[in-house]
Amino acid sequence: EDKVVQSPLSLVVHEGDTVTLNCSYEVTNFRSLLWYKQEKKAPTFLFMLTSSGIEKKSGRLSSILDKKELSSILNITATQTGDSAIYLCAYRDNYGQNFVFGPGTRLSVLP
Amino acid sequence: EAGVAQSPRYKIIEKRQSVAFWCNPISGHATLYWYQQILGQGPKLLIQFQNNGVVDDSQLPKDRFSAERLKGVDSTLKIQPAKLEDSAVYLCASSLGGRGMNTEAFFGQGTRLTVV
Repeated sequence: EDKVVQSPLSLVVHEGDTVTLNCSYEVTNFRSLLWYKQEKKAPTFLFMLTSSGIEKKSGRLSSILDKKELSSILNITATQTGDSAIYLCAYRDNYGQNFVFGPGTRLSVLP
Repeated sequence: EAGVAQSPRYKIIEKRQSVAFWCNPISGHATLYWYQQILGQGPKLLIQFQNNGVVDDSQLPKDRFSAERLKGVDSTLKIQPAKLEDSAVYLCASSLGGRGMNTEAFFGQGTRLTVV
């Protein structure tokens, strides 16, 4: 069965720390890997990684896709309290158009 | 550009009552999704529409849940009768769609349902 695993499930850091969130997936026919940030209810899009675009960066956030290991990481440098949220990883396969989500990593950044 | 609109934002009902949620996707987005997110879990797909046709409803509990997308735009999700385990956030999302397209999904603010 296709699935997404994220680790750690919960993480507490202090402002200024650097964090790495992990996502691994098992999917029959991979198309894309997406990262979302969920602060209250609505997940907001961060990155999409595909076979033709395996590394993305935006400000303090960056993400890399490892196609061989079927995994991805999300890095956040110089964390701020505003980074506190749940970070969701999701994949999309070549057959359907559905996004399959992992359980998320709850990040808490303390001042 | 207006985002995905959902209503209501919050709903509290007693078990065995019925409830309906409404979603208006981003203009031009052919694909619409309803997800259920139970506390501490990631969103789980309930149903996916492409225009006004159902693409995937394999995880929709059809004995109590129903959804429709008339005219390929707005959508409603209904639960009747509700159970305690239906307490969750119901998220609507839309995307440009198309099987060959690499597009992200945009989410609405969600509806937090509490069944007591």
